[in-house]
Amino acid sequence: DTGVSQDPRHKITKRGQNVTFRCDPISEHNRLYWYRQTLGQGPEFLTYFQNEAQLEKSRLLSDRFSAERPKGSFSTLEIQRTEQGDSAMYLCASSFGQGAGNEQFFGPGTRLTVL
Amino acid sequence: EDQVTQSPEALRLQEGESSSLNCSYTVSGLRGLFWYRQDPGKGPEFLFTLYSAGEEKEKERLKATLTKKESFLHITAPKPEDSATYLCAVPQFYFGTGTSLTVIP
Repeated sequence: DTGVSQDPRHKITKRGQNVTFRCDPISEHNRLYWYRQTLGQGPEFLTYFQNEAQLEKSRLLSDRFSAERPKGSFSTLEIQRTEQGDSAMYLCASSFGQGAGNEQFFGPGTRLTVL
Repeated sequence: EDQVTQSPEALRLQEGESSSLNCSYTVSGLRGLFWYRQDPGKGPEFLFTLYSAGEEKEKERLKATLTKKESFLHITAPKPEDSATYLCAVPQFYFGTGTSLTVIP
């Protein structure tokens, strides 16, 4: 399968614990995006990378959130000291090219439940 | 700030009953408008990209059109398998809240 993959697909954790999610983009894609989606809402932008550089972060990305893309390939999103409000679907997407008008291809998402 | 508004929030159609979904956008300079389909519990699936007013694209029972202020997703003779949430987005990160479509057999 050459699509975007995410791991794990589901994560249940207790409030205050740290969690880390992984995203593997389509291999030739240089841009990688992280979004959060809650029920009944569209995806909300968190951050994006062009190759290994993190170019933009949303104000939704508090200091408890950190993302990396160390070699311009896979990416990780870590949430420290999780809160119940962090419960959501975390989506990763990737795209190819330099311009903004390139379609993004999404992974299946990681469903986070914070108890 | 760029933004996208979709309507209606939800739409129920009888199988074969054609209709349209609306996506209104406000952007400083349009660099594309995207349509996605999302099934419950899954990531969005890319459908179309439109770049300029007057452009149209089709895929099976779906046709997307674009004007200077809005885009429409026309669904012709829908089938139950077309039931999903349809999202529109403008680059790079602005998604609407989606239209939840239910097609009743």
